[in-house]
Formats: sequence, C-alpha cells, structure tokens
Amino acid sequence: QQQVKQSPQSLIVQKGGISIINCAYENTAFDYFPWYQQFPGKGPALLIAIRPDVSEKKEGRFTISFNKSAKQFSLHIMDSQPGDSATYFCAASKGGAGSGNTGKLIFGQGTTLQVKP
Amino acid sequence: DSGVTQTPKHLITATGQRVTLRCSPRSGDLSVYWYQQSLDQGLQFLIQYYNGEERAKGNILERFSAQQFPDLHSELNLSSLELGDSALYFCASKKGANTGELFFGEGSRLTVL
Repeated sequence: QQQVKQSPQSLIVQKGGISIINCAYENTAFDYFPWYQQFPGKGPALLIAIRPDVSEKKEGRFTISFNKSAKQFSLHIMDSQPGDSATYFCAASKGGAGSGNTGKLIFGQGTTLQVKP
Repeated sequence: DSGVTQTPKHLITATGQRVTLRCSPRSGDLSVYWYQQSLDQGLQFLIQYYNGEERAKGNILERFSAQQFPDLHSELNLSSLELGDSALYFCASKKGANTGELFFGEGSRLTVL
C-alpha cells in the first residue's frame, strides 16, 4: 500500500515534443505528490508538486495532472528541450499534523528522459 | 545549491568495514531524512530525524544506524559492509516534521569492494 508505480522506465522524445510520465499510488492517505528532477551526479530537486484538492497544476512548461478517483498522476513536459534530459521521479507522502505523519516521500522507480535535438 | 551538505562525496572501502556519512541540513531545517539510491531499487527511505529524535524508520538494515546531533547535523553509520551496500546515499532536510519541501544534498557515493 506504500508503493508508487512509475512508467515508463525510459523515454526518448524529440526536441519540441511532449514528454509524459505516469504514476499510480495505492495509499489514499497520501496528500502531497511532488515530482523531482535529477541530473547525473546531483541530488533530486523539486520540480513541481500538487495536492489532491486540485486536478491540475502548471508551472511554465511543466504540468501535473491529478486523477484522485483513479489514484494516478502524471507529469507533462511541453516543448521538451535537450536540457530537460534527466531522471524524473514521482513521489507521494502523507503530511499534515496527524500522528504518524512524517512527510517521508515514497518514490517511484524513476524515468530517464532523453530529449533529442 | 540546495543548502544541504554531504561528506564525503565519494568513498571506496572493503567488505566488512565501517563508514560514517555526514550531513549538514539547510539552515533552520529541523528534519533530516536519509535515502539510499541504487540502480535496481530507486530511492529508498532509510530513516528520519526531527530535532534530534528519531521520527520514522524505513528499510534500514540493522547494520546501519543514524543519529542527529544538537547542532542538527546528522550521521549515517554503515557497518559490516557488504558488496550490496554500494549505492548513493542522500540526505535531505526540511523545516518541519512532516509538511514542506524536501531539499536533497548531492549524495555520498559508496563503493564497497
């Protein structure tokens, strides 16, 4: 119930195309869904995040779509650029002030994105 | 730069040995999380400390231990090392105990030969 499943494992997109990465979760208590971007030799960095009270969040070329009933969320990268080539991780956590809530992130397995020029 | 500092960046050691990884969280952050990243396991949560106290435990082996000191820096101790312990170990910090953005360091790459 703690798992977050991510697909695809790898993705190749042409410059200017749309990259789509999908995640599914099981635990309905999760209430925070971030996406992290990781470049080789670096730590993961927060890209964009959403809470389940909204169905979509957009920041520049990056959009999260959230489907609470299906327990799925996805990252869309519009106008993909070679500089977007990195590994992307979805994650989920249970935050808030309730007992047992630690805010620990449960990560998906990651998607390696390559954007070809 | 996330503001989270990890040392050493690289470490090569032999099986059976013991190592200590160090993490300095961002200024003002009270929570420290440790994650292990290996090729086949992704990012696995190990343990969390909040203001010096252990708050959550994940898939941390008994050979591993951690602590958070009064100045809020944290150390992850790995003992009786095995080949399979070779991985990237990340420290992350946040202000609160549960909510808020998690900031990651650049990791310590451990190679066990």
